[in-house]
Amino acid sequence: GQNIDQPTEMTATEGAIVQINCTYQTSGFNGLFWYQQHAGEAPTFLSYNVLDGLEEKGRFSSFLSRSKGYSYLLLKELQMKDSASYLCAVMDSNYQLIWGAGTKLIIKP
Amino acid sequence: IAGITQAPTSQILAAGRRMTLRCTQDMRHNAMYWYRQDLGLGLRLIHYSNTAGTTGKGEVPDGYSVSRANTDDFPLTLASAVPSQTSVYFCASSEQGGGNIDTQYFGPGTRLTVL
Repeated sequence: GQNIDQPTEMTATEGAIVQINCTYQTSGFNGLFWYQQHAGEAPTFLSYNVLDGLEEKGRFSSFLSRSKGYSYLLLKELQMKDSASYLCAVMDSNYQLIWGAGTKLIIKP
Repeated sequence: IAGITQAPTSQILAAGRRMTLRCTQDMRHNAMYWYRQDLGLGLRLIHYSNTAGTTGKGEVPDGYSVSRANTDDFPLTLASAVPSQTSVYFCASSEQGGGNIDTQYFGPGTRLTVL
């Protein structure tokens, strides 16, 4: 079957760095997406990786290793507004997104 | 530009009742999707449409139906609601869909409770 694993919850301190991991086993691979979802709101797109390596976008970076079935989202200079759930999703061979359950990130002052 | 709108925002429904969740996008996107989100689970695809006039089944289609009469609207109907359909429902759209890799954009969601 298809499976996306990510930690359920993480806690970090304002101003610090946090890495949210995602491992996947899917039928085919057409890229990996990260979304941010604040409580009670819609998911919003953060990043897309299809090739191995690091993609940097401001305070957020996303890394992919296809051979290991592994990705991480790196958030730097954490702000209180970064408190949210972070969703990992893989586009499979049918071009459908398979979603992880999300990682709830709690930022403490 | 509103993007994607969904209605209602929330609804409490008696089991056995029929309910249609509305979704409208103004981005002229070809593809649209319906997901449900339940605590502890990832988003699960219910139905999708790659272009107006076509629809397809996702991972959890049973108990739900959709139609795509035009580009903008993609309603989701629960013919006879059951308590297990209590969930948050998200509509999404993407520019191309149908075998293309593109980003999905989400509506604000409908919180549905079936008693």
